[in-house]
Amino acid sequence: RKEVEQDPGPFNVPEGATVAFNCTYSNSASQSFFWYRQDCRKEPKLLMSVYSSGNEDGRFTAQLNRASQYISLLIRDSKLSDSATYLCVVSDTGTASKLTFGTGTRLQVTL
Amino acid sequence: GAVVSQHPSWVICKSGTSVKIECRSLDFQATTMFWYRQFPKQSLMLMATSNEGSKATYEQGVEKDKFLINHASLTLSTLTVTSAHPEDSSFYICSAPGTSGSWDTQYFGPGTRLTVL
Repeated sequence: RKEVEQDPGPFNVPEGATVAFNCTYSNSASQSFFWYRQDCRKEPKLLMSVYSSGNEDGRFTAQLNRASQYISLLIRDSKLSDSATYLCVVSDTGTASKLTFGTGTRLQVTL
Repeated sequence: GAVVSQHPSWVICKSGTSVKIECRSLDFQATTMFWYRQFPKQSLMLMATSNEGSKATYEQGVEKDKFLINHASLTLSTLTVTSAHPEDSSFYICSAPGTSGSWDTQYFGPGTRLTVL
C-alpha cells in the first residue's frame, strides 16, 4: 500500500467549475500535511498547508480528517491557469523535514 | 522568499559516465538539504538527506556508492550519479528547509533533468 494515495485523474473540467481532490495517507503518526502544485517539468510549489480545522486561501479550501487519514482540496471557480498536477504531501514530523509525496492528481481546465 | 538553485537544469550523458548536480541555497544557509528523484508520471521519492559537515542519510533502496552526496558548505550540496545508466534517467530535485523554523517552509530547486543514453 502506498503511503500517500491519490486518484491520478486526469480531471477535465470547464472554466468556472468546482473540483475536489482527495488523498489518503497510511501513517497515523503523520503530523504535517500539505498540498503542492507541480507544473509539467517543473519543481513542486507549496499551494497550502492543511490544518485539522480546515483552511481556505482564496478559491482553495483544504480539509484534514485525522480519524479517517484523509485530506481534501477544493478548488472553486476553476481558471485555465489552475491546470497542473496537485500533490498531496505528508510529513511525519512537525518540522520542514522529510516529505512523502503522493503521485499527484492531474487537473486540466478547459474553455 | 528563499531561493534554491540547481545546476545544470538538464544534462544528457553517455552510459557509464558520472554526472554532478549542484544544489545551492542562494540567500539563506541550509545545514540540511534533501534530494528527490521523480520518474515520469510518478511521485517525488526522497533519495537522501544531505547534512552539512557529515555523511548523508540515504533512504532504503538507494545505493550510497552510486549516488554520492557532498554537503561541504552551508549553501551547497552536490549529488553525483556515478557510472550512470539509462535507468538513472530521471528528474532530480533538491530542497532545503527555510531558516524560519516553520514546518511548512521547504524550498525546492527547479530540478535537473538527466537523460542517460
